[in-house]
Amino acid sequence: DTGVSQNPRHKITKRGQNVTFRCDPISEHNRLYWYRQTLGQGPEFLTYFQNEAQLEKSRLLSDRFSAERPKGSFSTLEIQRTEQGDSAMYLCASGRSNEQFFGPGTRLTVL
Amino acid sequence: AQSVAQPEDQVNVAEGNPLTVKCTYSVSGNPYLFWYVQYPNRGLQFLLKYITGDNLVKGSYGFEAEFNKSQTSFHLKKPSALVSDSALYFCAVRDMGSGEYGNKLVFGAGTILRVKS
Repeated sequence: DTGVSQNPRHKITKRGQNVTFRCDPISEHNRLYWYRQTLGQGPEFLTYFQNEAQLEKSRLLSDRFSAERPKGSFSTLEIQRTEQGDSAMYLCASGRSNEQFFGPGTRLTVL
Repeated sequence: AQSVAQPEDQVNVAEGNPLTVKCTYSVSGNPYLFWYVQYPNRGLQFLLKYITGDNLVKGSYGFEAEFNKSQTSFHLKKPSALVSDSALYFCAVRDMGSGEYGNKLVFGAGTILRVKS
């Protein structure tokens, strides 16, 4: 257990529905990252927060995706109008300097 | 753009034998390199990193990695493999394009390590 928690661990939804995932980072970490991992691939960067500021977003993050980190604590990742191609493992990581500590991930299945 | 390559999809080794999982990188500037391990249905666990200093880096669970600048490699090694080392291993490099404070990671596709008893 790295100290980073994610909820839910699994989510099954129908195409077109909205979903929201939550990440609780290690409390003293000011940096928070979201990655997406599909089967047989390494994680791909989605977005990054330093405290409450969203400083970088990947081109992978279409306008259906939105992330927030109110008050620089937990973070949420919302996907609107889900598509089957959104099915993946969504990983959250937190860190202070060069290391990133990953949560267990949320596995999303879009039917 | 920063990238890493893991040329082997799978590595098989007998328990007690030494293991090597290969990684090569392509970066502009000095590389920040990492190894992570992933067990089934779990997140990634940090093993070790190279930022600067000694080319041989020691990490968790008896793993080490050798940074070779001339060959642009950062291979993961362990002198004696355990069955419990069987997992998916990822090499990663920090994307310097994310700026001084970004630290986002670019991962390889991963290598499955199977250790047989």
